[in-house]
Amino acid sequence: GQQVMQIPQYQHVQEGEDFTTYCNSSTTLSNIQWYKQRPGGHPVFLIQLVKSGEVKKQKRLTFQFGEAKKNSSLHITATQTTDVGTYFCAGRSGSARQLTFGSGTQLTVLP
Amino acid sequence: GAGVSQSPSNKVTEKGKDVELRCDPISGHTALYWYRQSLGQGLEFLIYFQGNSAPDKSGLPSDRFSAERTGGSVSTLTIQRTQQEDSAVYLCASSSGANPNYGYTFGSGTRLTVV
Repeated sequence: GQQVMQIPQYQHVQEGEDFTTYCNSSTTLSNIQWYKQRPGGHPVFLIQLVKSGEVKKQKRLTFQFGEAKKNSSLHITATQTTDVGTYFCAGRSGSARQLTFGSGTQLTVLP
Repeated sequence: GAGVSQSPSNKVTEKGKDVELRCDPISGHTALYWYRQSLGQGLEFLIYFQGNSAPDKSGLPSDRFSAERTGGSVSTLTIQRTQQEDSAVYLCASSSGANPNYGYTFGSGTRLTVV
């Protein structure tokens, strides 16, 4: 079945440093979504990418979808303490209606 | 409602007992999903409902797990003869329409502890 791998599992950064998490799928994806889960909270939808090579930005967050539609990345510029949480990618392939979630990257931002 | 509502928020049960978890999706959302999240882990798909179509049960880990969705709205996830490995946070999500390209709105989850 479809597998979505995410690295790194954990990342500690100093406030102001940049952060990147990477997502790789075993199969070609029809789309990929990103979610953020704050400590003790539930996942919150951030964005969806659909097109090969697509790049989208939300303020300090930049999302990319690979040309082969099998990988994606989330980059945060100049992290802030409010960025703390676990970031999940989630993708669909084939005729699947449900998302397969990556294992997540837990970001800690040190003040 | 304004969001996805799940109840109870916490449930402690004895091994071997049955439990029912409830999810009330956003009004008008036709797609409903159940996932579970073990401590520090990712989200494991359990079951998916879309409108009046037959549910996709491919993620249910055993026949002790079942779910139903009444009237295309509220859903109940039932776990029979609970085991300690069932301990996790059970998350419900809904999304709009049959188009799979909508983001999910998650509820706050039910934390199940089997002792």
